[in-house]
Amino acid sequence: ILNVEQSPQSLHVQEGDSTNFTCSFPSSNFYALHWYRWETAKSPEALFVMTLNGDEKKKGRISATLNTKEGYSYLYIKGSQPEDSATYLCAFEGGTSYGKLTFGQGTILTVHP
Amino acid sequence: KAGVTQTPRYLIKTRGQQVTLSCSPISGHRSVSWYQQTPGQGLQFLFEYFSETQRNKGNFPGRFSGRQFSNSRSEMNVSTLELGDSALYLCASSLWAGDGEKLFFGSGTQLSVL
Repeated sequence: ILNVEQSPQSLHVQEGDSTNFTCSFPSSNFYALHWYRWETAKSPEALFVMTLNGDEKKKGRISATLNTKEGYSYLYIKGSQPEDSATYLCAFEGGTSYGKLTFGQGTILTVHP
Repeated sequence: KAGVTQTPRYLIKTRGQQVTLSCSPISGHRSVSWYQQTPGQGLQFLFEYFSETQRNKGNFPGRFSGRQFSNSRSEMNVSTLELGDSALYLCASSLWAGDGEKLFFGSGTQLSVL
């Protein structure tokens, strides 16, 4: 059974704060690590898919890093805004999973104005 | 481009009944996967279809089945419903899948089993 863990479970920050979350995953049979943002009453939306050790991706104020050898990824949000409030999910994709993503439980971020 | 469309949005059934959920992927996408979301378990993989073939299946009982049509639309069926099947069912599409490609999710079908 694959174990994908995210921490913290939830986070409350003030507008303008920078924050980061962690995703840990198996380091064997790795193919890709996905990050999704899931806002209330909406569909999960892809942020990043990373495949190479040392990968760094950026989208506006959000960035992510990947360490496949030790099995972790960080998601950073710089200058959090209330509209960043959402659940952030990471998902592990193994070598032959054909669309099977193993998701973590998510980190619920609340940004207070 | 239209997104992933799931119907119906909400469904109420009673124990023992069966239910069919529908998913229309983004035009051109050939892979459709299904996930179950429950508060305690998070998003759990059900199965994935590509070109009408099931390529991968999660750890769910045989009461959960699916299929994909030649136009890539997919249906998921749950027979002999149990209370524990109450959940949000999400489908997602991608061009290929299994290739480090991001998934595009639909809005889901909220199933309540009474």
